[in-house]
Parts: sequence; C-alpha cells; structure tokens
Amino acid sequence: GDSVTQMEGPVTLSEEAFLTINCTYTATGYPSLFWYVQYPGEGLQLLLKATKADDKGSNKGFEATYRKETTSFHLEKGSVQVSDSAVYFCALVNRDDKIIFGKGTRLHILP
Amino acid sequence: NAGVTQTPKFQVLKTGQSMTLQCAQDMNHEYMSWYRQDPGMGLRLIHYSVGAGITDQGEVPNGYNVSRSTTEDFPLRLLSAAPSQTSVYFCASSPSRDRQETQYFGPGTRLLVL
Repeated sequence: GDSVTQMEGPVTLSEEAFLTINCTYTATGYPSLFWYVQYPGEGLQLLLKATKADDKGSNKGFEATYRKETTSFHLEKGSVQVSDSAVYFCALVNRDDKIIFGKGTRLHILP
Repeated sequence: NAGVTQTPKFQVLKTGQSMTLQCAQDMNHEYMSWYRQDPGMGLRLIHYSVGAGITDQGEVPNGYNVSRSTTEDFPLRLLSAAPSQTSVYFCASSPSRDRQETQYFGPGTRLLVL
C-alpha cells in the first residue's frame, strides 16, 4: 500500500544551522505532498505543499521540491531558529483521496 | 473564525466509562475527520465524514462511534473506554476530500484511560 517514510528523530541543531528532513513516499500515480508542523501543545498546521511533479512549496523560509524520479519531498531551511523547534510531518494524499502521514520528526534547535 | 475547536482539552476516564469528544468547525467545511496520535505511530485515521449524514471508517475505528448531523459538528464517542485508547485525539476539517486540500486541525484532546 501507499506509505510515507521520514527520517527518525529527534534532530538536534544549533541556531542558524542548515536543516534537511528527509521524506520519501510510495504511491501509484501522482499524489499531492504536504509538510505539516506541530508546535508543542498544539494541533498540526500546514507548512507547505506541492501538488505536481517538480513543484516547489515554500513558507516561512522552509522549502520542499516534489521529486517524482526519487519519490521524495525533503524539507529544507537555510538557517533555523529556536522557534522552529517542533514536530514535522510529511504526508501524501493518494489517488483515492486518502491521506497518509509519516510518523513525524522531532526537531530541537539549541540557542 | 474560530477554526476547528475541540473540547475537552484533557480528560481522565476509568476503564469501561463512556464519553464524547466534541469537535466543531465554523468554516463550512464538508470533510471532517478524527485522528489519534501515539508516540512513534504518527497520526492514524479513526473515522471521517464527507458531509452531513455521511460517515465512514478509517484505519482504526474499533471502539469508536461518530455521527454527523450538521456540517459544523463531528463528535467522537468512546463506547467503553480501554487503556489502549489513551492517546491524543485530533479533529481536522477541509473544504472537501479533494487531494489538493489542506487539512485544518484542532488543538487536540489528551485522554488518559486508567
């Protein structure tokens, strides 16, 4: 079946470091791809999305590119801040309109 | 807009008790869903609804019931609570079930079953 695999955390970085959180997927056809972020004590909120191959989603300095050839949607940010500490979820919506979430990656940013 | 609201924020139950987790949205969204979040498991879909009067099972529906009498409300009922239902529960909504739609999540209900 369709699935999302993302790197296990926690990921710990110093402020201003470069961030990459890997996400790969398995799905037939062309799913839509999403990154959601969950801040402590809150629900998930959309960070960015891409709905077709080679699209780049971006928001708040974060970017991810839909790579059909490598079935990936890696999240990147050039300079992280303490306020970016959160749990990040990669997700897809497949051709049956079913949403599938990865298990989440916890990110800690040290001042 | 208040968005998606959930009550209560925290609840402690004893095994065998029943309760209803409330979820409401004021965005006129057709699609609503319930997830549970457990450590190392990500989010798992319990039940969902594509409109008033229409509900269906998700990945882990056993032990839970839902109904959708209005567009705004989508309560989740635990019939006879078990310790395995200790979790954080999130309600979400979106304008439709279209694959490009963003899900809007509530703040969650933390449930402890003793």
